[in-house]
Amino acid sequence: AQTVTQSQPEMSVQEAETVTLSCTYDTSESDYYLFWYKQPPSRQMILVIRQEAYKQQNATENRFSVNFQKAAKSFSLKISDSQLGDAAMYFCAPNTGNQFYFGTGTSLTVIP
Amino acid sequence: EPEVTQTPSHQVTQMGQEVILRCVPISNHLYFYWYRQILGQKVEFLVSFYNNEISEKSEIFDDQFSVERPDGSNFTLKIRSTKLEDSAMYFCASSPVLSGRGLNTEAFFGQGTRLTVV
Repeated sequence: AQTVTQSQPEMSVQEAETVTLSCTYDTSESDYYLFWYKQPPSRQMILVIRQEAYKQQNATENRFSVNFQKAAKSFSLKISDSQLGDAAMYFCAPNTGNQFYFGTGTSLTVIP
Repeated sequence: EPEVTQTPSHQVTQMGQEVILRCVPISNHLYFYWYRQILGQKVEFLVSFYNNEISEKSEIFDDQFSVERPDGSNFTLKIRSTKLEDSAMYFCASSPVLSGRGLNTEAFFGQGTRLTVV
């Protein structure tokens, strides 16, 4: 079974500042995808960003970017210019087949 | 924008009763999933479904659980005899089928059904 570790159960960031959420995972696959999902208090899971493991270039999506280190099996999420609406639980989720493997999540608080 | 819809949003049931959680995936998607999240814990995979059969299931998905796509639009999760520990948020998700193992697409999640077993 795939293991996903998010070592920061809680993080906080000042509004407009930058924060990085860490994620490491364990897989023997060489072909896979990685996702970050956001779960606001409404509980819906919303896709934030995704990364193809075969691509060396880190994915970016507006204020969100990743630092993907394939050899280290590390997939961190950077949120720039943090906004109050970014406050949520963030889940790292690799997908190596027909399912997503979720980490335990990082609860992000944005301080006005 | 197309979305996955789940009903009901909250279901309360007595222990031992059967429950059916309903999901309407996005219409052109062909992979369907159920996940659950016990309060305060991580999201856990239950089952994936493709071409009218289960593709993968976890150890959580025992004989008490079943899934069905009864009419080409709904995707249901049935729990035959609920236990207290089945109380959780249940998420349905869908993704379009792609070549290979369907890796390179995100799953679209519904807003979840909160199941409370009393």
